[in-house]
Amino acid sequence: DTEVTQTPKHLVMGMTNKKSLKCEQHMGHRAMYWYKQKAKKPPELMFVYSYEKLSINESVPSRFSPECPNSSLLNLHLHALQPEDSALYLCASSPGQTNEKLFFGSGTQLSVL
Amino acid sequence: KNEVEQSPQNLTAQEGEFITINCSYSVGISALHWLQQHPGGGIVSLFMLSSGKKKHGRLIATINIQEKHSSLHITASHPRDSAVYICAVSRSNYQLIWGAGTKLIIKP
Repeated sequence: DTEVTQTPKHLVMGMTNKKSLKCEQHMGHRAMYWYKQKAKKPPELMFVYSYEKLSINESVPSRFSPECPNSSLLNLHLHALQPEDSALYLCASSPGQTNEKLFFGSGTQLSVL
Repeated sequence: KNEVEQSPQNLTAQEGEFITINCSYSVGISALHWLQQHPGGGIVSLFMLSSGKKKHGRLIATINIQEKHSSLHITASHPRDSAVYICAVSRSNYQLIWGAGTKLIIKP
């Protein structure tokens, strides 16, 4: 199994809603990532978990809250988002060290109304 | 000047043509990645290389560390190759520095 599975594929939420994005992999990877991608732009790194510990937080607003319950799962909790947060949110994983091949999920297309 | 530059930005070709996409970078790297993204979709990592040349099916990636330059070649291109191809470089941590991407359209 070389897949990274993201759910949901599409999400529409209001600015007062609370929602969560989920990401799962069963490749035994120990590094997991959240990226945000706006249309026609490259992905921007948001968070990296390494061995279930938050390793990188790219100064992301606190309305985005990551969680890594175990080595296979990665969540992104969303609360009080703004319309400018509408984007494709991509999860990725890699075996565990830096500078390794990344495996991406198909993303969650988020629209904030 | 961006640290990772790709050319061309857009490329349209006929089915069967040999395709070359170029990537130049201006920083020290530990590896260079070529990735593919279809419209509205996730990203697929095609190659990760730090020297020489790699081949997978009709795709070939080369890198010249001294010249800080890499190329992605597609032989016998097919409409299903239409996608955005992205070059990215990794340094000493989990960060990637991304190029702006090359949008490739292969016409039947």
